[in-house]
Amino acid sequence: QVQLVESGGGLVQPGRPLRLSCSASGFSFTSYGMHWVRQAPGKGLEWVAVISYDGGAEYYADSVKGRFTVSRDNSKNTVFLQMNSPRSDDTAFYYCAKALGGSGSHLWAPLSWGQGTLVTVSS
Amino acid sequence: QSALTQPASVSGSPGQSITISCAGSNNDVGTYDIVSWFQHHPGKAPKVIIYEVTKRPSGVSSHFFGSKSGNTASLTISGLQAEDEAEYYCCSYTTASTLVFGGGTKLTVL
Repeated sequence: QVQLVESGGGLVQPGRPLRLSCSASGFSFTSYGMHWVRQAPGKGLEWVAVISYDGGAEYYADSVKGRFTVSRDNSKNTVFLQMNSPRSDDTAFYYCAKALGGSGSHLWAPLSWGQGTLVTVSS
Repeated sequence: QSALTQPASVSGSPGQSITISCAGSNNDVGTYDIVSWFQHHPGKAPKVIIYEVTKRPSGVSSHFFGSKSGNTASLTISGLQAEDEAEYYCCSYTTASTLVFGGGTKLTVL
């Protein structure tokens, strides 16, 4: 079955970079797009970014564009979220999710989710 | 991109049916049939219960039903059960090539 395990969260100072990882198993990783979605404490879900099956397309929420970068290593079944210049309002649980497909309209349905990793941005 | 609009809370008794609305615009729900619904129990991973407006993933109960009319999507849960008590979120693709979520609806089973 699909298994997604996020890691790399923790306490980070504002402006210091942090990289999150999501290790995938149980499916053909190279065929599916991958999302990052976050939930701040006491708030709702907020979409962060998505990357296509081959890494050829990336899309971002306005709130993170220019600061965060999504990438993937298909040889290691892993997707990353590089968080540069994090701010206090980036504090949240970060979830990775497998999309319905690899590109096109199927890229935009996050179907299977990991348990999340907590990022706290504070001095 | 503004969040989709959901009621903050709904409630119902076991066996009853409830509907959660998700109001968007011509920039999202009204233009694309790429609307998903998620069930989120505290401390657990969100679970997709509806995708592409009406489709249920395998293993999801048929008492969850998705629909759309104009700029508003809806999730209907029939035959409420205690385990349905959770937070529910809608989500839509947008003309800006992003996803936008609703603010979430807390379902209480009385």
